[in-house]
Amino acid sequence: ILNVEQSPQSLHVQEGDSTNFTCSFPSSNFYALHWYRWETAKSPEALFVMTLNGDEKKKGRISATLNTKEGYSYLYIKGSQPEDSATYLCASSWDQGGKLIFGQGTELSVKP
Amino acid sequence: DAMVIQNPRYQVTQFGKPVTLSCSQTLNHNVMYWYQQKSSQAPKLLFHYYDKDFNNEADTPDNFQSRRPNTSFCFLDIRSPGLGDAAMYLCATSRDLEGALYYGYTFGSGTRLTVV
Repeated sequence: ILNVEQSPQSLHVQEGDSTNFTCSFPSSNFYALHWYRWETAKSPEALFVMTLNGDEKKKGRISATLNTKEGYSYLYIKGSQPEDSATYLCASSWDQGGKLIFGQGTELSVKP
Repeated sequence: DAMVIQNPRYQVTQFGKPVTLSCSQTLNHNVMYWYQQKSSQAPKLLFHYYDKDFNNEADTPDNFQSRRPNTSFCFLDIRSPGLGDAAMYLCATSRDLEGALYYGYTFGSGTRLTVV
């Protein structure tokens, strides 16, 4: 069974704190790893797509790394802001069929 | 702006009464997906269309059906909703199957279904 696990399930931080969370997935036959940000009442928005072991991607204060050999990805947010409050979903694929298997998400709340 | 639109945002239906959720897109993408997300769980793929080709996931209940009358629209029909079908339903699109892997999905904002 292909399963994607995210931890922690929720996270509460103060404005200015840096934070990170984890996405774990089966490493065999891995194809791609995606991160999405989902703000309340909005559409999930793609943050990063990574395919290669050792990939690192960055968008502003948010960055992500990928380890396909051990089956995990980290998402880092530097200097969290209230507008970073959202659910962060990761998803993985193990073939070229375009289907993504999602984790249950990490709900981040940043207090001013 | 090109986008994926889901209507309605909230849907309340009675136990056993058929309900249809709709999704439209202006991206001219070939692939449309339906995901179900129950509270605190991962979004789960129900089925997807590649153009007119319907692909059902093995564990999707028979109670769930889908229609895609044209490129722009895709519908999710629940024939006899049960209390366990209460969830957020997300529609997503991708240009093609390989494009989904390299560029990700474009999502709608979801329809939250309540069954009373």
